[in-house]
Amino acid sequence: GQQLNQSPQSMFIQEGEDVSMNCTSSSIFNTWLWYKQEPGEGPVLLIALYKAGELTSNGRLTAQFGITRKDSFLNISASIPSDVGIYFCAGPGNNDMRFGAGTRLTVKP
Amino acid sequence: NAGVTQTPKFRVLKTGQSMTLLCAQDMNHEYMYWYRQDPGMGLRLIHYSVGEGTTAKGEVPDGYNVSRLKKQNFLLGLESAAPSQTSVYFCASSYSGVNPTFYQPQHFGDGTRLSIL
Repeated sequence: GQQLNQSPQSMFIQEGEDVSMNCTSSSIFNTWLWYKQEPGEGPVLLIALYKAGELTSNGRLTAQFGITRKDSFLNISASIPSDVGIYFCAGPGNNDMRFGAGTRLTVKP
Repeated sequence: NAGVTQTPKFRVLKTGQSMTLLCAQDMNHEYMYWYRQDPGMGLRLIHYSVGEGTTAKGEVPDGYNVSRLKKQNFLLGLESAAPSQTSVYFCASSYSGVNPTFYQPQHFGDGTRLSIL
């Protein structure tokens, strides 16, 4: 099946720094989704991308749908302590939804 | 707004025992899903449903059964629990629409943490 490779696995950053993470696949996706999961909770959708090359923002978050349709990027600007959590990329197929293993973000005040 | 509610939140079972996890959504969503989440891995789809009375297998369906007797509820059953089924289970739901099933963003519950001894 389609595998999503997410990197980095974890990040430790200082408050105020910018963050970049990415997700790659060996197969083409027509939609990319980015979720955030906080401890003890379920994932929450941050951004959905539906078109190759699309660049979409949600506050301090910006995500891009790669031109090759095999990758996507998520950037967080001016990080704050509440950005802590695990960020997942996800790509849907006709009969499945695949998730990356996640990027665990720690923000030091 | 409740959204997606999962019960119970925690459960400990002995090997061989059976149990049912309940998922309820109040958003009138057509589609519902069950995932499991294991350390260092993303969520993996167990089963899903595209409407009342329908179910389908996901990536890791073995050892689980599901039922969707009512639109708002999606039940996940373990007939004979095994230690390999120790995990955190998430239910999700989404709208139907012109896009294929899995293209719709999903709304997740807060999970059921299940330990099997």
